[in-house]
Amino acid sequence: QITLKESGPTLVEPTQTLTLTCTFSGFPLTSGAVGVAWIRQPPGKALEWLALISGTDDKRYSPSLKSRLTISRDNSKNQVVLTMTNMDAVDTATYYCARRGNSSPGAFDIWGQGTMVTVSS
Amino acid sequence: DIVMTQSPDSLAVSLGERASINCKSSQSLLYSSNNKNYLNWYQQKPGQPPKLLISWASTRESGVPDRFSGSGSGTDFTLTISSLQAEDVAVYYCQQYYNLWAFGQGTKVEIK
Repeated sequence: QITLKESGPTLVEPTQTLTLTCTFSGFPLTSGAVGVAWIRQPPGKALEWLALISGTDDKRYSPSLKSRLTISRDNSKNQVVLTMTNMDAVDTATYYCARRGNSSPGAFDIWGQGTMVTVSS
Repeated sequence: DIVMTQSPDSLAVSLGERASINCKSSQSLLYSSNNKNYLNWYQQKPGQPPKLLISWASTRESGVPDRFSGSGSGTDFTLTISSLQAEDVAVYYCQQYYNLWAFGQGTKVEIK
């Protein structure tokens, strides 16, 4: 069974750095065809893709947020970590991690339940 | 950046009737080397993460009811629910992966 689970703080203060962890199981993150992405969704709004890392350590970022994002992986722990600097109230959202499977290079076939992050002082 | 625009933003359809959602991309999503459209459709029910319904614009994922179908090519795509069921109430998103990834703004489907 393939699962992904997000973890991290529920509340961060403006200007702080957010660190989120995606712990996955049931698949290896060792090939270029497979990846783990981060996607966020502000309350009542649309999905926004943030970043993706592949099993060969290829990293892609949303152009609009690239300067603030870093994605990394720890295969020994089956984890993918996303950091986002200089948090602001507009970054309040549910943050999801999702698997890019090897059946389609751009489809996120398995998602975590998401973690809600509120940015407030 | 590729911009995805869905229409309508919301629609209400009677049970058993057809629902159609349109998705337009700012540039073609048809990859000439393999003649495939790099377009997916997702369903998101309240309080749940999105679920992949259709990939490659028209390929249903395993377990997705056949009342869901995807069509279109290039810049214009459609998700059709042939006979709306109560459990289909959700927000539907298109997503391109021709150049990185980007989602449409979503279309909310309700029962009339």
